[in-house]
Order: sequence, then structure tokens, then C-alpha cells
Amino acid sequence: GDSVTQMEGPVTLSEEAFLTINCTYTATGYPSLFWYVQYPGEGLQLLLKATKADDKGSNKGFEATYRKETTSFHLEKGSVQVSDSAVYFCALKHTGNQFYFGTGTSLTVIP
Amino acid sequence: DTEVTQTPKHLVMGMTNKKSLKCEQHMGHRAMYWYKQKAKKPPELMFVYSYEKLSINESVPSRFSPECPNSSLLNLHLHALQPEDSALYLCASSQEGTGGGEKLFFGSGTQLSVL
Repeated sequence: GDSVTQMEGPVTLSEEAFLTINCTYTATGYPSLFWYVQYPGEGLQLLLKATKADDKGSNKGFEATYRKETTSFHLEKGSVQVSDSAVYFCALKHTGNQFYFGTGTSLTVIP
Repeated sequence: DTEVTQTPKHLVMGMTNKKSLKCEQHMGHRAMYWYKQKAKKPPELMFVYSYEKLSINESVPSRFSPECPNSSLLNLHLHALQPEDSALYLCASSQEGTGGGEKLFFGSGTQLSVL
């Protein structure tokens, strides 16, 4: 069945460091891929998405590219800020209403 | 209006109580969801309503009873819960479609504690 595998956390970085959070997926066909972010005490917010191979989603300096050949959707940011501290979830969706979430990666950025 | 509103934000209940969680959206979305999230874990799908009809029930115990009175409202009725049911309950909505690219809009959740 469909699934998402995310890198284990927690991740701690200094401000302005480069961020990569790995995400790979298992699915038939061409699912849509998403990154969601969750700040403490809040629900999840969509960060970015990509709906087909080679698409690049981007938002707030974050980027992820849909790689069909490696079944990956890694999240990157060139220079993290303290305000980026949160939990990041990779997710996939096929047609229909079933979303599959990864286990989440906690990011802490220190000044 | 691009919000999903959940009430209450916090709820403490005993194992014999009956309570309800409420969720509302006015984005015209026809799919609505209940998720349960334990600390440091991903959201777990509980129920999906599509066009006000229950379309997915992920084998949730009957002490959780969902209800979709209309296309904007989603309730979760709680009865005889157990302490292990303590969690953040998240409501979400999305446009109903077959393209697969529809995103979820989440509410900020109800933090439930069962004593």
C-alpha cells in the first residue's frame, strides 16, 4: 500500500544553516506530494506541494522537487531562521480522500 | 474565509461524560475529516465525510461517533472514553475531487484530556 518514510529527528540547526529533511514514498502511479508544518499547539499548515514528476513546490524559502526516479520529495531551505522551528510532515495523496503522512521531523533552530 | 474553526480548544472529561467536538468551514469544501494526533506522532485518520456522507471509517471504536449535519459542519460525539483517548483531535477539509492535488486545510485542534 501507499506509505511515506521520513528521516528521523529531532534536527537541531544553528540560524542560517542549510536544511534538508528527507522524504521517500511508496505508491503506485503518480500521487500528489505535500509538506505540512505544525507549530506548537496548532494544526498542520500546508507548506508546499507538487502534483507531478519534476514539479518543484516552493514557499517561504522552502523547496521540494518531486523525483519519480528516486521516489523522493526532500525538503530544503538554504538559510533557516529561529521561526522555522516546528514539526514537518511529508504526505502523499492519490485520487480519493486518503492522505498518508510520514512520522514527522522536529526541527529546532537555535540563534 | 480560508479557516477551519474547531471548538472547544481544550476539553477535560471524565470517563462517564458525554461531550462533543465541533468543526466548521465556509470554503465550500465537500470533504471533511477527523484526525487523532498523539504527542510527537503524525495525525491518524479517523473518519472522512464526502458530500455529507461517511465515506471512510478507520475502524474507530464506537465510543467516537461522527456526525455531519450539513456541508459546513462536522461534529465528533464522545462517550465513555478511556484515558488513552487523550490526544489532539484535528478537523480538516478539502475540495472533493479526483485530481489528487487537493490539499487539506486543518483546524487548530481540540486538546482532549480524559481523566
